[in-house]
Amino acid sequence: AQKVTQAQTEISVVEKEDVTLDCVYETRDTTYYLFWYKQPPSGELVFLIRRNSFDEQNEISGRYSWNFQKSTSSFNFTITASQVVDSAVYFCALSEAGYQKVTFGTGTKLQVIP
Amino acid sequence: EAGVAQSPRYKIIEKRQSVAFWCNPISGHATLYWYQQILGQGPKLLIQFQNNGVVDDSQLPKDRFSAERLKGVDSTLKIQPAKLEDSAVYLCASSLATGGGADTQYFGPGTRLTVL
Repeated sequence: AQKVTQAQTEISVVEKEDVTLDCVYETRDTTYYLFWYKQPPSGELVFLIRRNSFDEQNEISGRYSWNFQKSTSSFNFTITASQVVDSAVYFCALSEAGYQKVTFGTGTKLQVIP
Repeated sequence: EAGVAQSPRYKIIEKRQSVAFWCNPISGHATLYWYQQILGQGPKLLIQFQNNGVVDDSQLPKDRFSAERLKGVDSTLKIQPAKLEDSAVYLCASSLATGGGADTQYFGPGTRLTVL
């Protein structure tokens, strides 16, 4: 069975600080996919990134970066120089190859204080 | 490209009443999903369609919830009768269905249901 754990329920940072959101997953499959979504107060889930289990290269997109480590089953998300617009709930999710179902974590609420 | 459309955005009903939500996926997306998101939790899959067939409805409370996607495009989710615990945001998502769990799901704005 697949499981995603986001241990941080809420995080508050002051604007321009860096912040890392943790995600730990469990799966028995060797092929799987990991996702991060952002849910701003408006409610819509916005896709941020997808990573497959064979690609452990870290990725950077502007102020966002992701650190995928299979050895620790983690897929952490870092926002550099946070901004107020980054305030949202962030969800990590997992799907296994051959099975379309996506399992979401419980989310981390990030508040960036001006 | 237009995103996933949902309506209504908000709905308030009394318990035991009926309610229906509508979703129009991104054009060309074969797979459509309905999720329930209770406040403070992650989305929970209710039902997944591939074209007009059901792929997974294992977590759909079938005694009161029903969903259809008759022409393989838009979809309707119904609750009849509603209970207090159905208060949640109902999210619709769609994906291309390239298969193998690799699909990225794109979400609509959701319908916030309040049952009084």
